Amino acid sequence: EPEVTQTPSHQVTQMGQEVILRCVPISNHLYFYWYRQILGQKVEFLVSFYNNEISEKSEIFDDQFSVERPDGSNFTLKIRSTKLEDSAMYFCASSLGQNNSPLHFGNGTRLTVT
Amino acid sequence: QKEVEQDPGPLSVPEGAIVSLNCTYSNSAFQYFMWYRQYSRKGPELLMYTYSSGNKEDGRFTAQVDKSSKYISLFIRDSQPSDSATYLCAMSGARWQGAQKLVFGQGTRLTINP
Repeated sequence: EPEVTQTPSHQVTQMGQEVILRCVPISNHLYFYWYRQILGQKVEFLVSFYNNEISEKSEIFDDQFSVERPDGSNFTLKIRSTKLEDSAMYFCASSLGQNNSPLHFGNGTRLTVT
Repeated sequence: QKEVEQDPGPLSVPEGAIVSLNCTYSNSAFQYFMWYRQYSRKGPELLMYTYSSGNKEDGRFTAQVDKSSKYISLFIRDSQPSDSATYLCAMSGARWQGAQKLVFGQGTRLTINP
């Protein structure tokens, strides 16, 4: 069964550094998402992306965050200058976008900012 | 009032028992309701997806949505130790350009004891 894949599984970085989290969505899906889950808290929506542009973003998704679909298969989340509070699991998801097309999630990247 | 509320548990039941998990919500605009299962260090895995009110059954799993009470449930029959995981409810409102912004519950940690 097709799945969403994310790399790396764990990323450790120092505060102030830039990180790029990578995702390969399911190949025929049209909508792409990033969610995050801080340890012990709910899964939270960050951003949705369709037709090469952001369709919606949350208050969390400030100027430090950006997303890109650099080619036909990858979808990336960049954090320009990481803060300690950015430490979390980051989940990529994709969906067909038609009626009755739920989101399918990857296994996440654990980001640790020291 | 929180937008989506879910008892975090933990919930521990013997193998073979019927498990009942539920969420309440406050936003009457929610139309799509999902249950995800999350194993440790993995991403959310879609279990059930329903639109509006009613019941949906898939094998040992039954999802119920009562929009009048703003209450959703997941029932697991003949529970197995492999069902031990965290169960997340998630919901969203009308789509905009097909994208779905999911709002998650806290997740209920379930353990099935052999």
